[in-house]
Amino acid sequence: ELKVEQNPLFLSMQEGKNYTIYCNYSTTSDRLYWYRQDPGKSLESLFVLLSNGAVKQEGRLMASLDTKARLSTLHITAAVHDLSATYFCAVDWTGNQFYFGTGTSLTVIP
Amino acid sequence: ETGVTQSPTHLIKTRGQQVTLRCSSQSGHNTVSWYQQALGQGPQFIFQYYREEENGRGNFPPRFSGLQFPNYSSELNVNALELDDSALYLCASSLSRRRNTGELFFGEGSRLTVL
Repeated sequence: ELKVEQNPLFLSMQEGKNYTIYCNYSTTSDRLYWYRQDPGKSLESLFVLLSNGAVKQEGRLMASLDTKARLSTLHITAAVHDLSATYFCAVDWTGNQFYFGTGTSLTVIP
Repeated sequence: ETGVTQSPTHLIKTRGQQVTLRCSSQSGHNTVSWYQQALGQGPQFIFQYYREEENGRGNFPPRFSGLQFPNYSSELNVNALELDDSALYLCASSLSRRRNTGELFFGEGSRLTVL
């Protein structure tokens, strides 16, 4: 069974700082997705990574995918309070179901 | 463009009862997936429907069943509710993976509490 692990599980960081969230998965896949979830809310799509070496950026967030290492990263640059949320990576392995990571709960402190 | 809508948003049931959750997919999307998200965890795949047929199922017992209608809307039915069924149930729609990114678009979810 595919396993998707994120670290850290919890991240508290000061505004203005940089940090990276890691997503490791246990089997070959060339499709990886990042989602954001605010407390009590649904999941919002952030990035779709469809090939080895893919890099996407939106505002202060940048995601990358290394399919050979089975690793994706979500890099946060100069964090602001509005980025506080839980971030999930998800791997599409079988073509019809997503395997989600454990989630990283991010708190940005003023 | 209308997004994914789910109903009801919140509901409370007792053990042994049955529940039906409903989902309208985003306009133009022919695939609907259902996920269960327990508190503090990532979503877990229940099943997917494509053109009214089940197209994959996760590790959930048969008392979890579903339907997809010709307009691509969908229902999730859960029989003989157990306390552990308390969770946020998320519906997601997408275009078929073959020619598209496979990106899932989620509704706001139905929060089920089983007492």
